[in-house]
Amino acid sequence: EIVMTQSPATLSVSPGERAALSCRGSQSVSTNLAWYQQTPGQAPRLLIYGASTRATGIPGRFSGSGSGTEFTLTISSLQSEDFAVYYCQQYNNWPYTFGQGTKLEIK
Amino acid sequence: EVQLVESGGGLIQPGGSLRLSCAASGFTVSSNYMYWVRQAPGKGLEWVSVLYSGGTTYYADSVKGRFTISRDNSKNTLYLQMNSLRAADTAVYYCGGSPYGGLSYYWGQGTLVTVSS
Repeated sequence: EIVMTQSPATLSVSPGERAALSCRGSQSVSTNLAWYQQTPGQAPRLLIYGASTRATGIPGRFSGSGSGTEFTLTISSLQSEDFAVYYCQQYNNWPYTFGQGTKLEIK
Repeated sequence: EVQLVESGGGLIQPGGSLRLSCAASGFTVSSNYMYWVRQAPGKGLEWVSVLYSGGTTYYADSVKGRFTISRDNSKNTLYLQMNSLRAADTAVYYCGGSPYGGLSYYWGQGTLVTVSS
């Protein structure tokens, strides 16, 4: 099983600032990497797939990068609705696996 | 607009069975990748099972032999039959679907399964 490790566990950032969330795989997943956003009480929402392709309707301030074992989700200018938990997920091999999540909180 | 609506959750005793349903609209279950993902209270996300359009299925080791994923094309509905339930199966179960393999483009609102005596 591929283990996905996200860092940091919690990130405190002020609105309007940039946030960078990291995700590392225990082995290469090529670019078979997705990012999801989850707010309290809601289902996850797909943000990025293929490591860097934005899903339909996702604002341009969200961008993904990386390949192999190292990935980054960048939010260029944080809006109030962006404070949430973010999960990375590999789909290179079954079982698909999520990272443990990064909580993005208001500083 | 794509909608996935789960039902069938509830309180069940250990060892019991439940069947979850996921009714789809605006999206064809039989021609897409369909998933069940769960989230234990206060915890992260865990893939439970996958059903590919061609009929291939995969299960997490934690549920293999106890859970069965299936679909009814005439009802455009996905199912998860859960047997021999354990306390560790307590979670919100989300139905997901995607035209792309391996990731869930669309999500239902989730249904809570509580396994407790």
